[in-house]
Amino acid sequence: NAGVTQTPKFRILKIGQSMTLQCTQDMNHNYMYWYRQDPGMGLKLIYYSVGAGITDKGEVPNGYNVSRSTTEDFPLRLELAAPSQTSVYFCASSHAVFATNEKLFFGSGTQLSVL
Amino acid sequence: TQLLEQSPQFLSIQEGENLTVYCNSSSVFSSLQWYRQEPGEGPVLLVTVVTGGEVKKLKRLTFQFGDARKDSSLHITAAQPGDTGLYLCAGVYYAGGTSYGKLTFGQGTILTVHP
Repeated sequence: NAGVTQTPKFRILKIGQSMTLQCTQDMNHNYMYWYRQDPGMGLKLIYYSVGAGITDKGEVPNGYNVSRSTTEDFPLRLELAAPSQTSVYFCASSHAVFATNEKLFFGSGTQLSVL
Repeated sequence: TQLLEQSPQFLSIQEGENLTVYCNSSSVFSSLQWYRQEPGEGPVLLVTVVTGGEVKKLKRLTFQFGDARKDSSLHITAAQPGDTGLYLCAGVYYAGGTSYGKLTFGQGTILTVHP
């Protein structure tokens, strides 16, 4: 009964380094999302995907890239990490896209610090 | 960009007290969701309200959707230490001309209930 699994749980990066945050779900959901959560700012949508091979930008996509080669996996890539990308990152999935009564299933998050 | 304003941002109360958290917007939402998040975990959906004026109860939690579908409230009766956490409201709205709905999160309310 895994749901949405994110790795790693914690990571410290140096400015300019790159990394990939992994996300996988076992609920056969078509829709997947990446959010970042900053203190006092709620959750901001970075990218989302409505199915394998289809991705689109959210509110705050700059500095990030995504791919969706399978239904299960939706990795988030940070190129040239900057201190402004210090945040907690959440991956989520849903059966349908934000439809009435639809719910998001969230992973447990990745806490990233860029120093 | 649709905005959701949550208030208060912080709430610290004694066990047994009642409290209300508010979620307000200038935009009309098709539905509104409330999530609860514990430290180190992702948000978990508590309830979705859809109809203007709708009231839903979940044990000691009462959720209300405003008549104009621009605001919502969460009322907790006789709060317990187990209610401690971050409460997030999230509105679903459909931008004109696009196929997909969008989910906008409020900033969150950090609730601490002291024994």
